[in-house]
Amino acid sequence: GDSVTQMEGPVTLSEEAFLTINCTYTATGYPSLFWYVQYPGEGLQLLLKATKADDKGSNKGFEATYRKETTSFHLEKGSVQVSDSAVYFCALSESSNYQLIWGAGTKLIIKP
Amino acid sequence: EAGVVQSPRYKIIEKKQPVAFWCNPISGHNTLYWYLQNLGQGPELLIRYENEEAVDDSQLPKDRFSAERLKGVDSTLKIQPAELGDSAVYLCASSRTSGGWDTQYFGPGTRLTVL
Repeated sequence: GDSVTQMEGPVTLSEEAFLTINCTYTATGYPSLFWYVQYPGEGLQLLLKATKADDKGSNKGFEATYRKETTSFHLEKGSVQVSDSAVYFCALSESSNYQLIWGAGTKLIIKP
Repeated sequence: EAGVVQSPRYKIIEKKQPVAFWCNPISGHNTLYWYLQNLGQGPELLIRYENEEAVDDSQLPKDRFSAERLKGVDSTLKIQPAELGDSAVYLCASSRTSGGWDTQYFGPGTRLTVL
């Protein structure tokens, strides 16, 4: 079945460092890919998404490119801030299926 | 546009007591989801509604969990009786359609603690 694999956390970086959180997937069809973020004590918020190969999703300085050839959707940000500290979830959804398949989440800690 | 609203935000009960969670989705969103999220994990789907119809409740523990979505808008999730293992965050989400490309928008969740 479909699955999502994320790099394990926690990931600890200093402020203004470059961020990459790896996400790879397996899917039988042509999924849409999502990054959600969960700040402490809050619900999940959509960060960005991409619905077809080579699409780039971006929001709040974060970017991720849908790479079909490597089945990846890595999250990147050029300069992280303390306020980016949160748990980041990668997820996929097949076009014919509503169900979101979630990665395990990656906790990001940014130190000033 | 108002987001998904859930109440209460926190609930502490003793085991064997009943508990109910309420959700108001984004206006115009026909699809509503209830998820369970354990600490450090991704959400697990409990039930999905299309308007007022529960179209997927295969993951809902029906011996103690029930849900309803009267009039196809607000929804209530109930647990009776609660067990210690039910302590988790219960998330409600909604989307305009049930297509895989459509974004699910999440509420803040209800954190349940069963003592």
